[in-house]
Amino acid sequence: AQKITQTQPGMFVQEKEAVTLDCTYDTSDQSYGLFWYKQPSSGEMIFLIYQGSYDEQNATEGRYSLNFQKARKSANLVISASQLGDSAMYFCAMREGSSGTYKYIFGTGTRLKVLA
Amino acid sequence: DAGVIQSPRHEVTEMGQEVTLRCKPISGHNSLFWYRQTMMRGLELLIYFNNNVPIDDSGMPEDRFSAKMPNASFSTLKIQPSEPRDSAVYFCASTTTGRGTEAFFGQGTRLTVV
Repeated sequence: AQKITQTQPGMFVQEKEAVTLDCTYDTSDQSYGLFWYKQPSSGEMIFLIYQGSYDEQNATEGRYSLNFQKARKSANLVISASQLGDSAMYFCAMREGSSGTYKYIFGTGTRLKVLA
Repeated sequence: DAGVIQSPRHEVTEMGQEVTLRCKPISGHNSLFWYRQTMMRGLELLIYFNNNVPIDDSGMPEDRFSAKMPNASFSTLKIQPSEPRDSAVYFCASTTTGRGTEAFFGQGTRLTVV
């Protein structure tokens, strides 16, 4: 069963607009972490933002925010004021397990294209 | 810190040959992960280590794949014999066990088996 689901293979957004990338997850752990990574065409994996399962506030990092809805098991990434440089593949990931056995599971990604 | 270092960055090999991918994790990190990225399957976790000990290798596709971590600063992923369907980008990542710590990725090795 898929543990991380990203249902949007591709998205378009107009420059300067906001965009939401969807992510749902499945775990029976009480303690887990949710992450978003960006992969530009050059191929490197760039960490963007983290949300802990016990965090009550939604995480924010600059133009990135994570809309965390624990009951719905969703962790959507919101990018505000999109820029051309935001065009990339975006991956949602979950860290599960306990100390010493943590592993990171990734979704299939969403390709975002920002239009000028 | 130089980050996670992988070598080689690109590898082209003939079917049937042995391929060895190398990874140096960030100093002080005690967990290391090997991933394979393809268009069809996305980012698959192959194997991961904690304190140099393999924790879970259930993602390794076949017996042709093996991984070792002889010390805290070095890991290898070996494919023997290689096949065209092994062509992919292989990433190594490392992290510590601190709460909220992300996985730090290397630049990846693009493997092409012809």
